[in-house]
Amino acid sequence: NAGVMQNPRHLVRRRGQEARLRCSPMKGHSHVYWYRQLPEEGLKFMVYLQKENIIDESGMPKERFSAEFPKEGPSILRIQQVVRGDSAAYFCASSASTSQPQHFGDGTRLSIL
Amino acid sequence: DQQVKQNSPSLSVQEGRISILNCDYTNSMFDYFLWYKKYPAEGPTFLISISSIKDKNEDGRFTVFLNKSAKHLSLHIVPSQPGDSAVYFCAAPQDPNFGNEKLTFGTGTRLTIIP
Repeated sequence: NAGVMQNPRHLVRRRGQEARLRCSPMKGHSHVYWYRQLPEEGLKFMVYLQKENIIDESGMPKERFSAEFPKEGPSILRIQQVVRGDSAAYFCASSASTSQPQHFGDGTRLSIL
Repeated sequence: DQQVKQNSPSLSVQEGRISILNCDYTNSMFDYFLWYKKYPAEGPTFLISISSIKDKNEDGRFTVFLNKSAKHLSLHIVPSQPGDSAVYFCAAPQDPNFGNEKLTFGTGTRLTIIP
């Protein structure tokens, strides 16, 4: 897991605040994926990005959630006006291509007070 | 709609014996499957995968079997070791026609190896 870096590892926000989660993919990987895991559930796909492009955001909630993967810097998952139901572990993964397995970071645990 | 199902939330196995983790899927279009292992407070780690053109793939102590007619796959770990204690997820790409980018995961099986 050391290859995909996510920060922060833990993030606490109050309702209505914004949460920004960062992900640096493994070296040489240009495909980034975000997943969310609720307690006692499996990971749920949110969004798939390549550099400067959102390829598939079919798993993203329609409001308050956005993602980007700029030309320079990490991928960012942004949640505006957080609510209690946003509390979850958010995992980022990367791959060298869509035919290669995805490698995951250690996640960001988001807690909403 | 859970397309990948792991019906056993937990499994305990004696050290040195075989661990068998099961996974069922509903979409007959799925043609590639992956197993991930997850320790607490860490991300999933890729273990092994299998393509539907095969019915078995082996990597060291880990073997995955695929039964396409039954829409069932299993992960065998032999011999089981204490370090294998973790949650195991099976996964498949949601849209097989578009590569492996959008994985759907089962709910996981917590494996405990008893020393």
